[in-house]
Amino acid sequence: AQTVTQSQPEMSVQEAETVTLSCTYDTSESDYYLFWYKQPPSRQMILVIRQEAYKQQNATENRFSVNFQKAAKSFSLKISDSQLGDAAMYFCAFFIIQGAQKLVFGQGTRLTINP
Amino acid sequence: NAGVTQTPKFRILKIGQSMTLQCTQDMNHNYMYWYRQDPGMGLKLIYYSVGAGITDKGEVPNGYNVSRSTTEDFPLRLELAAPSQTSVYFCASSYTNRGRGDTEAFFGQGTRLTVV
Repeated sequence: AQTVTQSQPEMSVQEAETVTLSCTYDTSESDYYLFWYKQPPSRQMILVIRQEAYKQQNATENRFSVNFQKAAKSFSLKISDSQLGDAAMYFCAFFIIQGAQKLVFGQGTRLTINP
Repeated sequence: NAGVTQTPKFRILKIGQSMTLQCTQDMNHNYMYWYRQDPGMGLKLIYYSVGAGITDKGEVPNGYNVSRSTTEDFPLRLELAAPSQTSVYFCASSYTNRGRGDTEAFFGQGTRLTVV
């Protein structure tokens, strides 16, 4: 079974600073994707960034980047120049490609931005 | 461009009542999912479907049923509602395009269900 663990229930950061959210996962699969989703108070699930397992280069989307360590099964999210609008729950998710595609979520990290 | 549409957005049920949460997507995705999100927690998979006529249990299927008669629709049925089913329910659909190295899951707006 695949599991995703986010060990930080809550994080806070000063506006304009950098914060890193941690995620580890456990799987025997070799072909998968990893995602970070943002959930603001509106409850909408918003894709922040995705990473293919067989790509060694870390994904980047503007102020958001990941540190993907496949051997360590680690997938952290770095938010640079934090903005008030970044405040939300952040979920790490693992997506199996082969067979029955399933998206498995971690428990989430609540990020607070201090002005 | 509707994406994934869930109805209703809110519902209050009495213990023992039944209801169906509707979910429809217009993106022609084969894969669809139902999740529940308890307060302050992550999303837990209830049921999923890999295509019309095919469904399978997820992590927490007890007390729920699904059907997938068309690609577009994936309703979730609650039989004999219990207070433990008070939660926010999300429907999602996904695609994978290996040629483009592209995949994404799209979510509905969620249904807040309270069982009293």
